[in-house]
Amino acid sequence: GAGVSQSPRYKVAKRGQDVALRCDPISGHVSLFWYQQALGQGPEFLTYFQNEAQLDKSGLPSDRFFAERPEGSVSTLKIQRTQQEDSAVYLCASSLVSVGRGRIDTEAFFGQGTRLTVV
Amino acid sequence: AQKVTQAQTEISVVEKEDVTLDCVYETRDTTYYLFWYKQPPSGELVFLIRRNSFDEQNEISGRYSWNFQKSTSSFNFTITASQVVDSAVYFCALSGPTDNFNKFYFGSGTKLNVKP
Repeated sequence: GAGVSQSPRYKVAKRGQDVALRCDPISGHVSLFWYQQALGQGPEFLTYFQNEAQLDKSGLPSDRFFAERPEGSVSTLKIQRTQQEDSAVYLCASSLVSVGRGRIDTEAFFGQGTRLTVV
Repeated sequence: AQKVTQAQTEISVVEKEDVTLDCVYETRDTTYYLFWYKQPPSGELVFLIRRNSFDEQNEISGRYSWNFQKSTSSFNFTITASQVVDSAVYFCALSGPTDNFNKFYFGSGTKLNVKP
C-alpha cells in the first residue's frame, strides 16, 4: 500500500477483554514502532522492531502489553485484560532503514492509528 | 532526561496571519535530532522537518520556516500567511543516542485553529 495501514481504526472493548491491533508497514521498511497517544497528549514510545527482532520494549506499560512482528513485516500489538487507562490512540510507524547507529537515514511514516476505548 | 515542552496548548488565528509555534527541549546528548510533525483530524502524523543538532541554519520551505537556537534549546516553527488547511495539532519531537535514536520524545502538541 501507499502508507502505513492500521486496523481496526476504532475498537471498543469491555474491561477485561483482550484486544489485538494490527499494523501493516510500508513494504520493505525495516524499522517499525508502536506509540500510545492519550487524549490531548503527544505520542509516547511503546516498542521498536528491526525486522522481526524486538530491540526495545522499554515503553510497554505493563506485562499485559505484548507486541510481535514474526516475519518482519506485519506487526500486532496485543493488550490482555484491558483496563480503562488503556484507552488511547495506538500509532504505528515504519521507516526504511534502521534509525540506530548514530544517525537517521529516513523519517518515520505514521499510520492513522487505532482508537481504543475501554468501557 | 529527554524532554520536549510545547507550552502553547491551543492557538487561534485568522487566515493570512503569521503564527509561531514554540518548542523547547531538554537533552543530555550532544548529538540529537529535532522534528516537527503535523497531525490533522484524520489522525496520522505527517513529517514536516528533521534537524540535526549540528546544523543551526534556519530553514524555509514555502510558507513554513524553522528557527533552531541551541543556546536557548528551542526549535520554533513559523507559518507565514496561515491558511485554513493548516489547522491541525503540531508536535515537536526529539531523538538522541541515549536511546540509539529509536525513540521519539514528543511534546504535548499545539492545536492550531486557522479561521477564515
